[in-house]
Amino acid sequence: QQPVQSPQAVILREGEDAVINCSSSKALYSVHWYRQKHGEAPVFLMILLKGGEQKGHDKISASFNEKKQQSSLYLTASQLSYSGTYFCGTEISTSGTYKYIFGTGTRLKVLA
Amino acid sequence: DGGITQSPKYLFRKEGQNVTLSCEQNLNHDAMYWYRQDPGQGLRLIYYSQIVNDFQKGDIAEGYSVSREKKESFPLTVTSAQKNPTAFYLCATGTGTRPQHFGDGTRLSIL
Repeated sequence: QQPVQSPQAVILREGEDAVINCSSSKALYSVHWYRQKHGEAPVFLMILLKGGEQKGHDKISASFNEKKQQSSLYLTASQLSYSGTYFCGTEISTSGTYKYIFGTGTRLKVLA
Repeated sequence: DGGITQSPKYLFRKEGQNVTLSCEQNLNHDAMYWYRQDPGQGLRLIYYSQIVNDFQKGDIAEGYSVSREKKESFPLTVTSAQKNPTAFYLCATGTGTRPQHFGDGTRLSIL
């Protein structure tokens, strides 16, 4: 049930780009992305509500493909501050009730 | 400033002891949630509450209890029945089932 993220971990040099994917076996109605720095609480990055929607925040953007039941997070020209673990989150319907679950997480390390 | 306050930041539990983690918010959000995070792992939902005096079990509720007597407060008790309580506990607020804001967390360890 838990959305699967890929890759599990990635190491980048400053200025490089990265893509993090979030795939679900259940229908996605919305997708949310969070970043958690080591030892800290997760911070909400963005929400994607409609299929095909793309949103951006500084040099971080995301897309949402409802048909493929997946979302991708794009980090462009990565900065040291991008390091952390990224989680996607989504609401799923199970036996007529809704619950919110987080993806498996992707650890991102940006090196100078 | 609006936000979520979790206390204490660090907590140690003796065997057989119940401990209570505090979570207070002034964001005026109806929904509050408790998550557990083990090292290197994702977030797992323990309990959530969408309205005062009502709460639902999450995926890993066994060994935990909660109360929601006030909108601002959602304390979590880790009971002696929880045999492996060592983890990072996060409280969050939001709308519906979705957490939007997280507290700074409480790290619980066994003595």
